[in-house]
Amino acid sequence: GNSVTQMEGPVTLSEEAFLTINCTYTATGYPSLFWYVQYPGEGLQLLLKATKADDKGSNKGFEATYRKETTSFHLEKGSVQVSDSAVYFCALRKGTGGFKTIFGAGTRLFVKA
Amino acid sequence: DAGVIQSPRHEVTEMGQEVTLRCKPISGHDYLFWYRQTMMRGLELLIYFNNNVPIDDSGMPEDRFSAKMPNASFSTLKIQPSEPRDSAVYFCASSLGGPETQYFGPGTRLLVL
Repeated sequence: GNSVTQMEGPVTLSEEAFLTINCTYTATGYPSLFWYVQYPGEGLQLLLKATKADDKGSNKGFEATYRKETTSFHLEKGSVQVSDSAVYFCALRKGTGGFKTIFGAGTRLFVKA
Repeated sequence: DAGVIQSPRHEVTEMGQEVTLRCKPISGHDYLFWYRQTMMRGLELLIYFNNNVPIDDSGMPEDRFSAKMPNASFSTLKIQPSEPRDSAVYFCASSLGGPETQYFGPGTRLLVL
């Protein structure tokens, strides 16, 4: 079946450090891939998405590239800020007619000043 | 512009009691989703509606759970009777035209004693 695997957290970084959160997926066909962010006490927000192989999603300095050959969608940011502290969820949805979003377990990021 | 509104934000109840969670989607959105988030199982889709009609309730854990959407601006998720294992954060999300970009509410944190 479809699944998403994320690196376990928490991830603790100093401000301005480089961030990578690994995400790999298992799916039939050609799913769409997403990163969501959840700030403390809030619901999830869509951060970025990619709908086909080699697409790069980007938003707020975050990037992720849809790599079909490695079934990966790693999240990166060149210089994190304290305000980036949150839980990040990788997710997939099957391409055609798929309404069920499969979420990873989430990776908590702490950024220290 | 108001986002998705959920109430209550926190609910503490005793085992066996009925619990009703409420959601007001973003005006004009035609899809509404109910999710449950727990440490053990992560984020799970319980049910979703399109134009007030339940489309897929395969994620509803058992008959104790029911959801309704009497009109385009209101939905409820009811648990009766509640059990301690129902303790979780319940999120409502809405979207326009499909599941692609879902807007999540802040969630209801439920504790069943």
